[in-house]
Amino acid sequence: QKEVEQNSGPLSVPEGAIASLNCTYSDRGSQSFFWYRQYSGKSPELIMSIYSNGDKEDGRFTAQLNKASQYVSLLIRDSQPSDSATYLCAVIKAAGNKLTFGGGTRVLVKP
Amino acid sequence: DAGVTQSPTHLIKTRGQQVTLRCSPKSGHDTVSWYQQALGQGPQFIFQYYEEEERQRGNFPDRFSGHQFPNYSSELNVNALLLGDSALYLCASSWGGLTDTQYFGPGTRLTVL
Repeated sequence: QKEVEQNSGPLSVPEGAIASLNCTYSDRGSQSFFWYRQYSGKSPELIMSIYSNGDKEDGRFTAQLNKASQYVSLLIRDSQPSDSATYLCAVIKAAGNKLTFGGGTRVLVKP
Repeated sequence: DAGVTQSPTHLIKTRGQQVTLRCSPKSGHDTVSWYQQALGQGPQFIFQYYEEEERQRGNFPDRFSGHQFPNYSSELNVNALLLGDSALYLCASSWGGLTDTQYFGPGTRLTVL
């Protein structure tokens, strides 16, 4: 079992719709959770961080964390073609501060 | 406010050679982490430097080594290059105190022929 798992996609979303991305993690002691966006050939760019159960909203992005289910998600509202990218879920375990990444979900927003 | 910088942008080497990659952290940050990202995969943690010491290390062979300088900049060295070392090498900086948020530099694309 991978430590952080994501559906590789591609997730195809019409422009203006909501994109829903999911991520599960195996270490119940994980304490910090991050979503990064990565355009092709570029480096990861931090979108959201979340540390406690519940929802956290930032503009068109909402991160949701459920530690009991070991599940973190990202919603992108009013999706735009510029949102087409790979979205990486990353966690930091309680014992250290290295980021452990999932394989990423590729999102395609079609006009 | 200067972000994380890395050099060079691209590098082509042949098998068996050695390479050095460089990273300058974001202003105010004192911790540098290095990651390797193969095509189509998520980044994999190589090691982290804090106060000029290697604080954590991932599952990478001893061919991968690093250094942190007093100004917090860092180098990643890879000896005896293999074809499988071809990847995007990412440097991330953070503050070793109360926050664990890491910000990435633009990366160095290494191609081993």
